[in-house]
Amino acid sequence: DAGVIQSPRHEVTEMGQEVTLRCKPISGHNSLFWYRQTMMRGLELLIYFNNNVPIDDSGMPEDRFSAKMPNASFSTLKIQPSEPRDSAVYFCASSLGTHSGNTIYFGEGSWLTVV
Amino acid sequence: AQTVTQSQPEMSVQEAETVTLSCTYDTSESDYYLFWYKQPPSRQMILVIRQEAYKQQNATENRFSVNFQKAAKSFSLKISDSQLGDAAMYFCAYRTDKNSGNTPLVFGKGTRLSVIA
Repeated sequence: DAGVIQSPRHEVTEMGQEVTLRCKPISGHNSLFWYRQTMMRGLELLIYFNNNVPIDDSGMPEDRFSAKMPNASFSTLKIQPSEPRDSAVYFCASSLGTHSGNTIYFGEGSWLTVV
Repeated sequence: AQTVTQSQPEMSVQEAETVTLSCTYDTSESDYYLFWYKQPPSRQMILVIRQEAYKQQNATENRFSVNFQKAAKSFSLKISDSQLGDAAMYFCAYRTDKNSGNTPLVFGKGTRLSVIA
C-alpha cells in the first residue's frame, strides 16, 4: 500500500511568491497532520484535520499560512506570500484516528527554500 | 500543554555496543502514549517503538527497548548491538489518549546518534 505522498519534494522560490504543498494521506486514514521542521524549532505542529475538518490550527504561524482538506484523499498547505523564514521541511502525516496508539505515518517531506 | 525534553543533542556509540537515549515529558494526564521515531539522513520519519502509559511492562522491538518510568515521567530508548544503520536523529514523542485517538504528536527536539565503526 502506498504511504503518505507529498509533493513537491523540493521547491526553491523567491520571496513574495505563493507556495502550495500537497499531500495525499494513506487510504482509509481519517486524521491528517501538517508539521514543519527547522533546526531552531524542531518539529512543530501547524494544523491537523479529523474527517476533513480542521481541529487545531493554533500552530499556523500567521495569516500567510492556510491549509485545506477538500476531501479525504487530499490536503494542501499554502503560503502566500512566502518569506525566507518559511524555509523548512514540511511534513504531512496521517493516521487512523480510532486509537491514540495507532501509528502516525509521515510522508517524505517537502523541502522548501525561499530566497 | 504537554512538553517533551530530550537533553542530549548528540550521542555516539561504537558499533555492536549499547546506547541509551534519554527523554522526559511533562503532563498532568494519566492516559497517553509515548513513541520513539527515527529520522535517517533521508528525512523519512520512521516509528521505532511505542509505549502505552497504562502498561507497566516496557516495550521491546528487536534490538530496541524502552525504560518507562511513569512516576518520573521518563521514557528512555535503549539500542542494543548498535549497527551503522542506526545512525540517525531520534525523536521522542507524546500523544494524549483523549478524543478517541484524534490527536497529534508532540515532539522533543531530537538526539543525533552517530555510530562509530
